[in-house]
Amino acid sequence: QKEVEQDPGPLSVPEGAIVSLNCTYSNSAFQYFMWYRQYSRKGPELLMYTYSSGNKEDGRFTAQVDKSSKYISLFIRDSQPSDSATYLCAMIKAAGNKLTFGGGTRVLVKP
Amino acid sequence: GAVVSQHPSRVICKSGTSVKIECRSLDFQATTMFWYRQFPKQSLMLMATSNEGSKATYEQGVEKDKFLINHASLTLSTLTVTSAHPEDSSFYICSARDPGLAGGDTGELFFGEGSRLTVL
Repeated sequence: QKEVEQDPGPLSVPEGAIVSLNCTYSNSAFQYFMWYRQYSRKGPELLMYTYSSGNKEDGRFTAQVDKSSKYISLFIRDSQPSDSATYLCAMIKAAGNKLTFGGGTRVLVKP
Repeated sequence: GAVVSQHPSRVICKSGTSVKIECRSLDFQATTMFWYRQFPKQSLMLMATSNEGSKATYEQGVEKDKFLINHASLTLSTLTVTSAHPEDSSFYICSARDPGLAGGDTGELFFGEGSRLTVL
């Protein structure tokens, strides 16, 4: 079983819809949670970074962390075609540097 | 924001040759850099952790003699794929942590743009 599970998609939504992404993890040692966006043939770029359980909002993006359920989510409001990309969740254990990635979810926002 | 530069972005080489990929942190000093490998439509797999001034720490299953990592300075790490074969063709991505003012292990991680290696 992978430490971090993420539905690969693709997830296709119409422009303006809310995109809902999530990851589950098995190791309660993960303390820091991140969402990255990766366009085709490019390196990942950080979207959101959270430490504790709860919600964090940044523009059209909202990240949720539920440590009790080992479940994290990313919501993209008012989605745009430019949001079409692969979204990767990632997490770090408190005491280490290694970033463990989910498999990524491919998102397609259709105009 | 902080930038990590990776070079070359694309390289094609013949089987049996060695290829060097550079990863530079442009406006911060990174004592630790990470090298990942990504196959098409798959997630990033950590290959090794590059530590400035000391030997790299390799993940299980990654050949140390095949993927040579050198972290010569606080802003430069290199990955050399030795005696490359077609199965080494992949997208290689580096990342570096900006310790920021607080330092430590929880600074933001920035990724390079990736290097696509094709071995013929």
